[in-house]
Amino acid sequence: DAGVTQSPTHLIKTRGQHVTLRCSPISGHKSVSWYQQVLGQGPQFIFQYYEKEERGRGNFPDRFSARQFPNYSSELNVNALLLGDSALYLCASSFEVADGYTFGSGTRLTVV
Amino acid sequence: GESVGLHLPTLSVQEGDNSIINCAYSNSASDYFIWYKQESGKGPQFIIDIRSNMDKRQGQRVTVLLNKTVKHLSLQIAATQPGDSAVYFCAERNDYKLSFGAGTTVTVRA
Repeated sequence: DAGVTQSPTHLIKTRGQHVTLRCSPISGHKSVSWYQQVLGQGPQFIFQYYEKEERGRGNFPDRFSARQFPNYSSELNVNALLLGDSALYLCASSFEVADGYTFGSGTRLTVV
Repeated sequence: GESVGLHLPTLSVQEGDNSIINCAYSNSASDYFIWYKQESGKGPQFIIDIRSNMDKRQGQRVTVLLNKTVKHLSLQIAATQPGDSAVYFCAERNDYKLSFGAGTTVTVRA
């Protein structure tokens, strides 16, 4: 079975640009969460979606947004990119909200 | 605020020895705790979890201990192998989100 898949694996953007990151959860998983991991730190919670509804949001500015589609895949959008947005963006899925999470390998975003 | 932290940022261990990685948490409302292993260029990989109504759980070569009195979590790895070299994170769950500590980098010496 495929695990959590994220695309792209790497990308480079310029300050001020917009980026869309994509995540496909494990088949049957209905919950998707997004985390940001800055180099040398633990992941920080950004969003959780369950059944296409936002269930929680971390302490991130409004430049960050996300959505979940009917097939439970998800997109994370970041507008007006800043240098400080450079990080590994991780997607995690679970069957239900209260279950354990399986992480994807992440998208490495570099803002120059 | 609520945070999860690890006592030591690095741990060097001889191959074949046992490893103990410690973690302190501060949110007494957390009901679920997870240890993850992260290798370079990869996402966190689930190792073992424990719910707040337990104090010990064992897996294959790993044991997690939970002491709710002092809000302490530990991961024990038996007979550490070179493949165990990685960054280890503890995470606590409160409602819908996981809070991670900064991680402990484990290096296994041959």
